[in-house]
Amino acid sequence: QKEVEQNSGPLSVPEGAIASLNCTYSDRGSQSFFWYRQYSGKSPELIMSIYSNGDKEDGRFTAQLNKASQYVSLLIRDSQPSDSATYLCAVRGNSGNTPLVFGKGTRLSVIA
Amino acid sequence: GAVVSQHPSRVICKSGTSVKIECRSLDFQATTMFWYRQFPKQSLMLMATSNEGSKATYEQGVEKDKFLINHASLTLSTLTVTSAHPEDSSFYICSASQTGFTEAFFGQGTRLTVV
Repeated sequence: QKEVEQNSGPLSVPEGAIASLNCTYSDRGSQSFFWYRQYSGKSPELIMSIYSNGDKEDGRFTAQLNKASQYVSLLIRDSQPSDSATYLCAVRGNSGNTPLVFGKGTRLSVIA
Repeated sequence: GAVVSQHPSRVICKSGTSVKIECRSLDFQATTMFWYRQFPKQSLMLMATSNEGSKATYEQGVEKDKFLINHASLTLSTLTVTSAHPEDSSFYICSASQTGFTEAFFGQGTRLTVV
């Protein structure tokens, strides 16, 4: 069974600090990796996607992928109170016809 | 990113009645639609996958006769919760994908409350 594991948190960081979120996955055939942000009562919002080993940066967000270790991470620099949300890690095979498999999410709280 | 519109955003219904939720892809052809359910403080749980023009594939434990999914066109999928009961109260979210693209786009979600 395909599984995606995340620490549930809550992870608390002070405003301006770096928040580090981690995720491991069980299916070595996974090809696509995503981080979603979900505010309470809202639908998930795509933050980052990454497909190859290494780092990918987009503004304050950096995703890191290590397929050998089956590990994905998300770094949020200069954390803001508005970043407080649940962050969902999701993985997928190499086809748009296969569903995303989600982790349970990590609750992040940025303290002003 | 692509836009997926889901309606209604909230619905309250009486126990025993049926509720239909619509999911539309507004600017792309959704060859595959996914329906998820999320209970409070839980992650998204996949209910079913539907490809346009085909019967939906349901996940283990999801009653196909209770949760009717129709994906008759490349821009519309519907989920009908039949004979709803209070335990069906949840947040239902659709997601759409297009062949050749790896990203999936989510609708706004529907909060269903069965009283």
